[in-house]
Amino acid sequence: AQTVTQSQPEMSVQEAETVTLSCTYDTSENNYYLFWYKQPPSRQMILVIRQEAYKQQNATENRFSVNFQKAAKSFSLKISDSQLGDTAMYFCAFMIPQGAQKLVFGQGTRLTINP
Amino acid sequence: DTAVSQTPKYLVTQMGNDKSIKCEQNLGHDTMYWYKQDSKKFLKIMFSYNNKELIINETVPNRFSPKSPDKAHLNLHINSLELGDSAVYFCASSQVGLANPGELFFGEGSRLTVL
Repeated sequence: AQTVTQSQPEMSVQEAETVTLSCTYDTSENNYYLFWYKQPPSRQMILVIRQEAYKQQNATENRFSVNFQKAAKSFSLKISDSQLGDTAMYFCAFMIPQGAQKLVFGQGTRLTINP
Repeated sequence: DTAVSQTPKYLVTQMGNDKSIKCEQNLGHDTMYWYKQDSKKFLKIMFSYNNKELIINETVPNRFSPKSPDKAHLNLHINSLELGDSAVYFCASSQVGLANPGELFFGEGSRLTVL
């Protein structure tokens, strides 16, 4: 069974700073996807960024980028130039691309951006 | 126009009662999901339907029964509610395929409180 672990329950940074959220996972699969989802205080989850395991290049989406270390089974999210609107719960998730899109989520990290 | 809508958003009820949560998506997706988020924010998949067919059925008490009358709707009925059922229940939808793997669109959640 796959597991996803986020070791930082809470983080807090000042606006405009860079912050990195950690995620590790455990799997025996070689082909899979990793994700970061954001859950703002309004509670609707949205996809932030996706990484395919067979791609060595780290995914980037504007101010959001990942550091994917397949051998170490590590998948961190870096948010550059943080903004107040980045305040949210961030969930790391894992999925095997077979049939149903079953996402396995980590415990989440509560990120607060302070003015 | 809300993409994935759930009703009700809040539900307070007594132990032993039966309640239902409804979900509708207008994205034309073929797959819908129910996730449960407990008080520690841990998200776990419960069920998934693809074109009205049950494809994911996690270890969930049989007091929980999903129903999908068509691919745009997925309802969750809970019998004999228990205190431990208190949680936020999220509905989600996706289009299974290679275009956007793992991109789920979530509703705003339904907070169930069992007294």
